[in-house]
Amino acid sequence: SQTIHQWPATLVQPVGSPLSLECTVEGTSNPNLYWYRQAAGRGLQLLFYSVGIGQISSEVPQNLSASRPQDRQFILSSKKLLLSDSGFYLCAWSFGGPSYEQYFGPGTRLTVT
Amino acid sequence: GEDVEQSLFLSVREGDSSVINCTYTDSSSTYLYWYKQEPGAGLQLLTYIFSNMDMKQDQRLTVLLNKKDKHLSLRIADTQTGDSAIYFCAERSGNTGKLIFGQGTTLQVKP
Repeated sequence: SQTIHQWPATLVQPVGSPLSLECTVEGTSNPNLYWYRQAAGRGLQLLFYSVGIGQISSEVPQNLSASRPQDRQFILSSKKLLLSDSGFYLCAWSFGGPSYEQYFGPGTRLTVT
Repeated sequence: GEDVEQSLFLSVREGDSSVINCTYTDSSSTYLYWYKQEPGAGLQLLTYIFSNMDMKQDQRLTVLLNKKDKHLSLRIADTQTGDSAIYFCAERSGNTGKLIFGQGTTLQVKP
């Protein structure tokens, strides 16, 4: 069976510091991978998605970036965090089709102080 | 553009049925989904329905799809306190692998 991991689970970082969040999927190959941000327990905002190694699509321009160095690894980064980057970050994966249902990781709670 | 809307809050008594509603705008949506999120956790896929279906039932969950009105509902029979959570409706965006999520409905189940 497939499992998805995210770490860290919680993170408190000062404004201006760098960020690296990691997501890995086990039990499948060549998944689609997604990064979402959820603010205040509501509405998911799609940040990035990837259909393969090195293939990243950005949905919202901001100071975040994503990379996929390996087939089942997805990393969310920032060089300098802003207060507005605080939120709950969720990684998800899906098969290539046809239903594209997404399966979510446990999330990372980021607080920028 | 694509948009998914849900009411924000629903309160029911334990043992009653809950009906959570959702409307969407993309008439070309092929799949629609329901997710559950408990406090501090990720989203759990509950069920999804293909657009050529009107209804899908899975134990206590019944999904109804009115494609003409672009209306989706999730009925939870015999609602339990463990069903208290935020429920998200989502549609597949065109032929992409992206999902468009609603804002979520908080279901409160009173004992």
